[in-house]
Amino acid sequence: QSVLTQPPSVSGAPGQRVTISCTGSSSNIGAGYDVHWYQQLPGTAPKLLIYGYINRPSGVPDRFSGSKSGTSASLAISGLQAEDEADYYCQSYDSSLSGSVFGGGTKLTVL
Amino acid sequence: QITLKESGPTLVKPTQTLTLTCTFSEFSFSITGVGVGWIRQPPGKALEWLTLIYWDDDKRYSPSLKSRLTITKDTSKNQVVLTMTNMDPVDTATYYCAHRRSDGSWDRWGQGTLVSVSS
Repeated sequence: QSVLTQPPSVSGAPGQRVTISCTGSSSNIGAGYDVHWYQQLPGTAPKLLIYGYINRPSGVPDRFSGSKSGTSASLAISGLQAEDEADYYCQSYDSSLSGSVFGGGTKLTVL
Repeated sequence: QITLKESGPTLVKPTQTLTLTCTFSEFSFSITGVGVGWIRQPPGKALEWLTLIYWDDDKRYSPSLKSRLTITKDTSKNQVVLTMTNMDPVDTATYYCAHRRSDGSWDRWGQGTLVSVSS
């Protein structure tokens, strides 16, 4: 049972837009700690995709965007491409655990 | 370009102690809030944060595994070492070391090393 809750799977056709939610609580997202997103392609290490809710590291396409609302965060992927098929994880800090916490991961399928 | 690489055994027996080494390069461990940590991922499952050591040698552990974990660093060798005692088959996972930025994100990851626990 992960501290941050994500939908197990989402899907969309090429060119469409999908969103992935990440729900936390008052000891993590609700406490104001940043949310970061990672993309994990099959058989590879996670890659930082979004940091501080909305910021993209250099090299990440602007098709990927993040947002926050209350005790939740969301990752949006527009203009879906086959290469976006991967697992996506959200991550934050939890004050009651004094450490990083991850979501359970969301598998994106491009139809 | 920050790089990290994990090394250690690929197979350990139940009850044994696992020791993994993370060798890193191209970053300074002297910046406030920067650290190196370990994150694992059982086959087909989610990421789980284990431990973190900060630039000033402050250490943090996952509460559920704290009694079994130790993290140390040797900045002269650019290495961080993880030890996990009393290994069990449920600890079978890919173990990643990663660079933590001051904003709390993990921006560089090693390739990971799969550790199997079996007799």
